[in-house]
Amino acid sequence: GQQVMQIPQYQHVQEGEDFTTYCNSSTTLSNIQWYKQRPGGHPVFLIQLVKSGEVKKQKRLTFQFGEAKKNSSLHITATQTTDVGTYFCAGLRGGGADGLTFGKGTHLIIQP
Amino acid sequence: NAGVTQTPKFRILKIGQSMTLQCTQDMNHNYMYWYRQDPGMGLKLIYYSVGAGITDKGEVPNGYNVSRSTTEDFPLRLELAAPSQTSVYFCASSLAEAKAGNTIYFGEGSWLTVV
Repeated sequence: GQQVMQIPQYQHVQEGEDFTTYCNSSTTLSNIQWYKQRPGGHPVFLIQLVKSGEVKKQKRLTFQFGEAKKNSSLHITATQTTDVGTYFCAGLRGGGADGLTFGKGTHLIIQP
Repeated sequence: NAGVTQTPKFRILKIGQSMTLQCTQDMNHNYMYWYRQDPGMGLKLIYYSVGAGITDKGEVPNGYNVSRSTTEDFPLRLELAAPSQTSVYFCASSLAEAKAGNTIYFGEGSWLTVV
């Protein structure tokens, strides 16, 4: 079945440093979504990428979808303590009725 | 709108007991899902429903049952609870397929421990 791999599993950064998490799929994705989960919280939708090579920005967050639609990345510039949490990518095969396949997430830990 | 509401938030079960996790959404979403999240892991799809009266298995359905008698409600039933079912359970919904524009909204989660 489809697998979505995320690296790294954990990332420690000093506040103000940049952060990047990478997502790779074993199959071509029709789209990819990114979610953030605060400690003890529930996943919250951040963004969806649909087009090959697509780049989207949300303030300090930059999301990319690979040309082959098999990989994606999330980059945070100048991290802040409010960025702490786990970032999940979730891939969707064609169809979409069976939900998303989530990666295991990257846990971002920020040291002040 | 309350969004997706799950109950209970916390529950401790003994091995072999049964229980139902309740989930309701007030967004008139057609699609509903149950995921489980083990510590430090991603989310795995248990069951999903594309509309009232229609349910289907996800990646890890064994030991669970669901029903969808109304658009709003999608309860998850655990029969004969086992320690392997200790997890955080998230109910979620989306207006339609998780395609462009149809994001998935999650409930706050139900922490279940089986001892």
